Amino acid sequence: DQQVKQNSPSLSVQEGRISILNCDYTNSMFDYFLWYKKYPAEGPTFLISISSIKDKNEDGRFTVFLNKSAKHLSLHIVPSQPGDSAVYFCAASANNAGNMLTFGGGTRLMVKP
Amino acid sequence: ETGVTQSPTHLIKTRGQQVTLRCSSQSGHNTVSWYQQALGQGPQFIFQYYREEENGRGNFPPRFSGLQFPNYSSELNVNALELDDSALYLCASSLEADSYNEQFFGPGTRLTVL
Repeated sequence: DQQVKQNSPSLSVQEGRISILNCDYTNSMFDYFLWYKKYPAEGPTFLISISSIKDKNEDGRFTVFLNKSAKHLSLHIVPSQPGDSAVYFCAASANNAGNMLTFGGGTRLMVKP
Repeated sequence: ETGVTQSPTHLIKTRGQQVTLRCSSQSGHNTVSWYQQALGQGPQFIFQYYREEENGRGNFPPRFSGLQFPNYSSELNVNALELDDSALYLCASSLEADSYNEQFFGPGTRLTVL
């Protein structure tokens, strides 16, 4: 039973364009959502997060949108750069579970020069 | 400030054996979580230790056990290894165990079970 799903295993975009990565969840107890980026041979690194009391959080080129009614979140990267090429994981936690995370399966983003 | 380190980097074991993986938390962090990442999948939460006590556990059998030491370094032990235990094992440390505390991940230990 996958509580966090990333339905696109891969995404390819042109440098300078927008990258949109999607994530769906099923557990209504989730109230904090995070995106992590992972390069080969490295651990995941935190990118951006959003609390369930918000519907948007922005940090530089990265924006996360949360649609609670649809149980859907998305990560927008504008403009995309070749260095953004990595695997992106969506993760969620429930208030009663601290920072124990449930991850999605990941989306591999390739940004072409 | 030293980041999260894990040892060994790679490990090959045979079915039925036991393995111990080690994690050194970032300085000042009292919480460590362990995750298993199978090939092509996202990390799955195994368990978390907070101030040397198990603080939560995912859907893993008891042959997965852990320890956190007074210096907040940590071990993951797996007994009676099975082929499906082949995965990247990640540890992550954080200042505290609540939701808003960022987790810092180590590079992982790649375990292969033959």
